[in-house]
Amino acid sequence: QKEVEQNSGPLSVPEGAIASLNCTYSDRVSQSFFWYRQYSGKSPELIMSIYSNGDKEDGRFTAQLNKASQYVSLLIRDSQPSDSATYLCAVNEANAGGTSYGKLTFGQGTILTVHP
Amino acid sequence: DTEVTQTPKHLVMGMTNKKSLKCEQHMGHRAMYWYKQKAKKPPELMFVYSYEKLSINESVPSRFSPECPNSSLLNLHLHALQPEDSALYLCASSQEVGRGRSGANVLTFGAGSRLTVL
Repeated sequence: QKEVEQNSGPLSVPEGAIASLNCTYSDRVSQSFFWYRQYSGKSPELIMSIYSNGDKEDGRFTAQLNKASQYVSLLIRDSQPSDSATYLCAVNEANAGGTSYGKLTFGQGTILTVHP
Repeated sequence: DTEVTQTPKHLVMGMTNKKSLKCEQHMGHRAMYWYKQKAKKPPELMFVYSYEKLSINESVPSRFSPECPNSSLLNLHLHALQPEDSALYLCASSQEVGRGRSGANVLTFGAGSRLTVL
């Protein structure tokens, strides 16, 4: 069973601070990594996808991937109260050739609270 | 149209009832998924359809029966459910299954159907 582990949280940061969310995964051949945000009672929505080692920035969000360490992170700069949600790290399982099975495995999620 | 539409939003059923959850997308996606999410837990994969064929069944009990009538529609038929099956059922779609490093496997989720089994 492939595993995806996240900080158990909850994580509380003041408005305007940087929130740092971390995730490790067990499947060495995984090729696709995602961060989803889920507000209470709502469905997950995609924040970032990342496929190559290094950083990927989109507005206030930066995803970082290190395949050698099997580690992916999400930084949220200038955190806002509206960022308060559960953040789910997700990894797409793949075979040795990099072909996806279509199975996205989620971590347990980190609850982020941004207080004014 | 970038939405996945699920109906009904809420469903309450008895253990002897038969009901169905419906999911529709018009993004031209060829892969569709059912996930189950219990409170304070992550979504868990139930089924994957790729080009209208069932490609993954995560050992789901037979009281859940998926159906993919065409590339835009996905149903989940429910029969003789148990109270522990109460959960949020999420439908999702992606362009396709199989490309390891591309946006083709990005999932778009519907709003979910919240099921309560009495």
